[in-house]
Amino acid sequence: KAGVTQTPRYLIKTRGQQVTLSCSPISGHRSVSWYQQTPGQGLQFLFEYFSETQRNKGNFPGRFSGRQFSNSRSEMNVSTLELGDSALYLCASSLEGLSGANVLTFGAGSRLTVL
Amino acid sequence: DAKTTQPPSMDCAEGRAANLPCNHSTISGNEYVYWYRQIHSQGPQYIIHGLKNNETNEMASLIITEDRKSSTLILPHATLRDTAVYYCIVRDYQGGSEKLVFGKGTKLTVNP
Repeated sequence: KAGVTQTPRYLIKTRGQQVTLSCSPISGHRSVSWYQQTPGQGLQFLFEYFSETQRNKGNFPGRFSGRQFSNSRSEMNVSTLELGDSALYLCASSLEGLSGANVLTFGAGSRLTVL
Repeated sequence: DAKTTQPPSMDCAEGRAANLPCNHSTISGNEYVYWYRQIHSQGPQYIIHGLKNNETNEMASLIITEDRKSSTLILPHATLRDTAVYYCIVRDYQGGSEKLVFGKGTKLTVNP
């Protein structure tokens, strides 16, 4: 079956701009979670969506937001970009969520560079 | 604020078993331990997970101590392709929100 698809794979933005990243989960998976990975901070949890609702949230400022559509596809948006937002953004999908016997399947990531 | 502790790096000879330890002393009784690995700049890949009993799949074995405060991931016959960062993860629940905290992981280098 098809894996988790993230688009775009690479993008370059300038400070102050905004960016939208897309994630298509594995068919049948209802939970989509997002992560930011930087060399200094490692992999950090952004938020999780389930049935079009944000169910869990990490410790990121309000500039980071997301949404999930009825087909479980998800987008995340970062507004007013800062240099420190340069990172690999990963999404992961699972059947029901983050806990229990749920296994996450990750996409290849979207690498954002902010100049 | 990781709930797990792992050695930052380990080396293993190709063909030998790689044993990666993880300490999760604050784990709750109903929380699973998950292992993922990440090969450079790719998305993390699921390896195995367990609750109480030891688990084995086609990739690895997971040994969980009886008190559940630590576990060991075993790659029985490591290959060069197993060189990656290995993350041991448990769920974190704070302020009404749950998340998975990845920590720094263990960088495993398999040498020829």
